[in-house]
Amino acid sequence: KQEVTQIPAALSVPEGENLVLNCSFTDSAIYNLQWFRQDPGKGLTSLLLIQSSQREQTSGRLNASLDKSSGRSTLYIAASQPGDSATYLCAFYGRGSSNTGKLIFGQGTTLQVKP
Amino acid sequence: EAQVTQNPRYLITVTGKKLTVTCSQNMNHEYMSWYRQDPGLGLRQIYYSMNVEVTDKGDVPEGYKVSRKEKRNFPLILESPSPNQTSLYFCASSLVPPLGTQHFGDGTRLSIL
Repeated sequence: KQEVTQIPAALSVPEGENLVLNCSFTDSAIYNLQWFRQDPGKGLTSLLLIQSSQREQTSGRLNASLDKSSGRSTLYIAASQPGDSATYLCAFYGRGSSNTGKLIFGQGTTLQVKP
Repeated sequence: EAQVTQNPRYLITVTGKKLTVTCSQNMNHEYMSWYRQDPGLGLRQIYYSMNVEVTDKGDVPEGYKVSRKEKRNFPLILESPSPNQTSLYFCASSLVPPLGTQHFGDGTRLSIL
């Protein structure tokens, strides 16, 4: 069974810091990996999608990397701002789950950026 | 604007009173799905649909029904709600998996008393 771990579970940093969120998974047979942002009481917003053949994707201050062989993905946030405060979730289609469209989610990292 | 719209956003109701949560997408996506999110349990798939008239169970389908009569709509029906169905519900849509990203609605918070 695919297991997904996001470390740390919570993170508090001062504004302006660069930070890295981690996502690890046990089965390297994934189709793609997505990073989502969830604000309290709100839905999930897709941030970045990395196909299994890609190593990284960038959008603005965000950079996500994927290393299938080691079962890891990282989300790098540059020059963090208070508006980045949210829960960040990694998710992917693992072996067999693409047949159901079920994304396998990590538990998330809750980020607080203090002014 | 491309979006997934859920209604209602909030609902407090009582045990046994049938309710429907609507979900509509304007992106012409084939695939739609319902998830519930609970503290400590993360997001769990309830039902999904690969196309019109095609639906199937996810991980936690008990107590729920769905239908997919039109491509854009995928309502979630609770025939006889119970307190253990109190949760935050999300509808999502995408191209046929594993293509593209899933787009999520803003969520529906249900409280069953």
